[in-house]
Amino acid sequence: SQQGEEDPQALSIQEGENATMNCSYKTSINNLQWYRQNSGRGLVHLILIRSNEREKHSGRLRVTLDTSKKSSSLLITASRAADTASYFCAAASGGSYIPTFGRGTSLIVHP
Amino acid sequence: NAGVMQNPRHLVRRRGQEARLRCSPMKGHSHVYWYRQLPEEGLKFMVYLQKENIIDESGMPKERFSAEFPKEGPSILRIQQVVRGDSAAYFCASSPSVREETQYFGPGTRLLVL
Repeated sequence: SQQGEEDPQALSIQEGENATMNCSYKTSINNLQWYRQNSGRGLVHLILIRSNEREKHSGRLRVTLDTSKKSSSLLITASRAADTASYFCAAASGGSYIPTFGRGTSLIVHP
Repeated sequence: NAGVMQNPRHLVRRRGQEARLRCSPMKGHSHVYWYRQLPEEGLKFMVYLQKENIIDESGMPKERFSAEFPKEGPSILRIQQVVRGDSAAYFCASSPSVREETQYFGPGTRLLVL
């Protein structure tokens, strides 16, 4: 079963709007990461948040982690057409530092 | 500093042939991970290697698939006697150590089995 499951599966917004994607996981984690994948490309690492952290920022990105609900969210503020991509969460749990990926959220930002 | 390199970027094979996928990690990285991505799916972990050692192959199919990371040269993911179900994108990632949680991904090899 997937350790990370993103929601929604697809999201379509206008440029300038905010985009929020959620990720739920099943077991206790060491850390959770968010990646972006443009069509036909490899994954680009966005943010890593550790289990003892609650929020992290990187530019227009904001990631939160709620370990009591076993969930994380990725917020992209003031979205741009170039943000169009698939976004994956990946959680590492137990003694493993190898992340388990969800199916991703497909984000389309219309200019 | 060049990123993770994979070649070929696209590979077409007929059923029964062998596929060899190569991955050169980032300079200074001695840990390599292989993942497979089916259409509309996330990445599935296959194998984790350090130089000359397989550390975790829990995601590798039991048959036809093998991986190596020799002392010199790239890591190789080898698929023997390919079947149509092997068609997927195969991604390699590297890290300087396993405790460096961030993995740096290559552009992937897209394998198509006819």
